[in-house]
Amino acid sequence: EAQVTQNPRYLITVTGKKLTVTCSQNMNHEYMSWYRQDPGLGLRQIYYSMNVEVTDKGDVPEGYKVSRKEKRNFPLILESPSPNQTSLYFCASTPRSRSPEYFGPGTRLTVL
Amino acid sequence: LAKTTQPISMDSYEGQEVNITCSHNNIATNDYITWYQQFPSQGPRFIIQGYKTKVTNEVASLFIPADRKSSTLSLPRVSLSDTAVYYCLVGEADKLIFGTGTRLQVFP
Repeated sequence: EAQVTQNPRYLITVTGKKLTVTCSQNMNHEYMSWYRQDPGLGLRQIYYSMNVEVTDKGDVPEGYKVSRKEKRNFPLILESPSPNQTSLYFCASTPRSRSPEYFGPGTRLTVL
Repeated sequence: LAKTTQPISMDSYEGQEVNITCSHNNIATNDYITWYQQFPSQGPRFIIQGYKTKVTNEVASLFIPADRKSSTLSLPRVSLSDTAVYYCLVGEADKLIFGTGTRLQVFP
């Protein structure tokens, strides 16, 4: 089954404690991306990757890092989380255009 | 960047056709227009994508005028299970911008 998986699905942490949200796709897609969704602000792109070792900033990259060492994985790293990064995060992948076709189930992050 | 705007909400009845419009004045020349459906606590689900004129698949149609500054998602004969939030997505310069989202409520 074609899918994008994210872990963890829920996470409560404290300010400053580094965390990583993993994302994996089983469709051999080249293009992967991360989004956050906030009430009143909608969905916004954080980072994207067009292929292995190729990443670039989206609309709201501040406070986040990503890496793409393998085609299937695209982890999102928060080196020093802050409360304003409390949000619902989605990973996505697509085989062709940069518009995502498959989204993961989401990770609800709370930073205290 | 100008906002990509959609109506906040729409109501419909089962069996009716629903048309949701997205306004995107700053769309990039070479980018597609994509529409998604989202249920609570789930990731967006891809519905349809197009570049110009009309695109149709098994669940929806997408109408794009020649100037590409807007697009209309058409859902034929909606059912209760189509109650969801619908988003358009366009490229503006080097950014991908989601629309503000339209909450569709379908009544029996």
